[in-house]
Amino acid sequence: GENVEQHPSTLSVQEGDSAVIKCTYSDSASNYFPWYKQELGKRPQLIIDIRSNVGEKKDQRIAVTLNKTAKHFSLHITETQPEDSAVYFCAGRSFQKLVFGTGTRLLVSP
Amino acid sequence: NAGVMQNPRHLVRRRGQEARLRCSPMKGHSHVYWYRQLPEEGLKFMVYLQKENIIDESGMPKERFSAEFPKEGPSILRIQQVVRGDSAAYFCASSPSGGALETQYFGPGTRLLVL
Repeated sequence: GENVEQHPSTLSVQEGDSAVIKCTYSDSASNYFPWYKQELGKRPQLIIDIRSNVGEKKDQRIAVTLNKTAKHFSLHITETQPEDSAVYFCAGRSFQKLVFGTGTRLLVSP
Repeated sequence: NAGVMQNPRHLVRRRGQEARLRCSPMKGHSHVYWYRQLPEEGLKFMVYLQKENIIDESGMPKERFSAEFPKEGPSILRIQQVVRGDSAAYFCASSPSGGALETQYFGPGTRLLVL
């Protein structure tokens, strides 16, 4: 089955800086990789996802890159803002279920 | 278009009692997934259901836990004889048809506290 590792576990940046979170996965057959943002006490919300037929996807300040050969994918947030502070989870897909990384707590200081 | 609905949002039970968690998928979605999130941890898959069928229950403890998704009504996750270790946030997610590339949309969760 799929195994997803995520790092760092915590990330502190200054407002306006970039933040990068990295994940690796084990199942070479995986082809769908979503990223979720979870604020304290709230539901995980999908912020971006990537499918294996592309290497990069961008949505405003958020981008995700995928390297299928190395089996890793990364979330990039540019021009960070205090409201980006949250826990971010990457996930891989194993059959129908999502396998989540352990999360990255991002703190953006004004 | 209403999102995934879960109730109750908070549930307090004493050890040995039963907990029933309900999930109504998004309109047009017929596939439901349950995940558990222990405090300060990530989400762990429990069970995947279609209407009237359990497709994958590989993440569900063998004892005390059961799930159903009847033809009519919400999906229900049932925990019998709760123990303190069951305290967690339980999230359900739904997708239209269970496709491998489909997005799963999460509900607001039920936070279970076992005293």
